[in-house]
Amino acid sequence: GENVEQHPSTLSVQEGDSAVIKCTYSDSASNYFPWYKQELGKRPQLIIDIRSNVGEKKDQRIAVTLNKTAKHFSLHITETQPEDSAVYFCAATGGGADGLTFGKGTHLIIQP
Amino acid sequence: DAGITQSPRYKITETGRQVTLMCHQTWSHSYMFWYRQDLGHGLRLIYYSAAADITDKGEVPDGYVVSRSKTENFPLTLESATRSQTSVYFCASRQGANSNQPQHFGDGTRLSIL
Repeated sequence: GENVEQHPSTLSVQEGDSAVIKCTYSDSASNYFPWYKQELGKRPQLIIDIRSNVGEKKDQRIAVTLNKTAKHFSLHITETQPEDSAVYFCAATGGGADGLTFGKGTHLIIQP
Repeated sequence: DAGITQSPRYKITETGRQVTLMCHQTWSHSYMFWYRQDLGHGLRLIYYSAAADITDKGEVPDGYVVSRSKTENFPLTLESATRSQTSVYFCASRQGANSNQPQHFGDGTRLSIL
């Protein structure tokens, strides 16, 4: 089945700097790559997603890039703010009926 | 948003007991999913359902049972709870069969088994 690796597990950046989280996946048939943000005690919330026919997608301060040849995708957050502090999960289709396979998460800490 | 609701939000029970976690969605989404979230493992798929009366196993189905008699409900049952099933359980739904559509999650149930 699908395997998704996510790095780093913890990322600390200064407020205003950029943050990059990287994921790799194993199943070349995967075609959908969402990113979720999860605050403590809350549900995972979809923040951006990308489909396999697109190389890059941007939404204000957040962008995702996809390299299907290398089987990796990345989340970029620019001009980080304190409210960006959370755990971020990448995922890829590959589970049953294309359920999601998740990475283990990145704890993003924004230092004031 | 209130489109997908889970109950209870918190549950404490003992080993060997049966416990059922409820999931209800108001979007008429055909696909529904159950995940568990554990430290160090992220979220893992337990079971999923493509429609009423159609269910199938995910990555970690052992010890769990699901049913889907109505499109809007997808309960998850632990028939004889074990301590290893202590976890946070999330239900999710997706509109249709296309795998590149987003999944939306409920608020989760925090289950502790003593």
